[in-house]
Amino acid sequence: DVKVTQSSRYLVKRTGEKVFLECVQDMDHENMFWYRQDPGLGLRLIYFSYDVKMKEKGDIPEGYSVSREKKERFSLILESASTNQTSMYLCASTTAYEQYFGPGTRLTVT
Amino acid sequence: GQSLEQPSEVTAVEGAIVQINCTYQTSGFYGLSWYQQHDGGAPTFLSYNGLDGLEETGRFSSFLSRSDSYGYLLLQELQMKDSASYFCALTGGGNKLTFGTGTQLKVEL
Repeated sequence: DVKVTQSSRYLVKRTGEKVFLECVQDMDHENMFWYRQDPGLGLRLIYFSYDVKMKEKGDIPEGYSVSREKKERFSLILESASTNQTSMYLCASTTAYEQYFGPGTRLTVT
Repeated sequence: GQSLEQPSEVTAVEGAIVQINCTYQTSGFYGLSWYQQHDGGAPTFLSYNGLDGLEETGRFSSFLSRSDSYGYLLLQELQMKDSASYFCALTGGGNKLTFGTGTQLKVEL
């Protein structure tokens, strides 16, 4: 059974804090993705990675960075959290056209 | 860039058939996918059209017409558990997805 896990379901952080969101997949997938989901906007791609240490910007990378040191793990970093980064963050992985999503992390920045 | 348009909300009765349309603008893509998301849940994959035409998976079917920049998801024999949001998405290089804004389907008795 395929599995994508995310480190937290809910997270509350203060403005200016550095935030780490972790994602782990157990399917040996090469491609991993970070999205944010906001009401009325759908899912928007922040960053993606084709392989270990490889990363590419998605549609809304500003204010975010990523790290992929191991194939199974893809981390999203908010360098200095701001209130407009309050959102649902979803991680996904794939080796073909079907993406497998984690349960999401609802991040609130106060 | 790419953009996809879907109706924001569709309502139908249990047992009926409903079609959710998706129109898109893009300079190139590999295929059109559909995902289902229940409230509080993660998106789950429903179908993929790499070629024009109809793909059928049980009660769900999906259609793509590249010449019309159009696709749809057809849900038959609607059940209450089908109440969810449905997203169309274009697949690009590296299996990257660009999602539409989603259609909330409400199934009523």
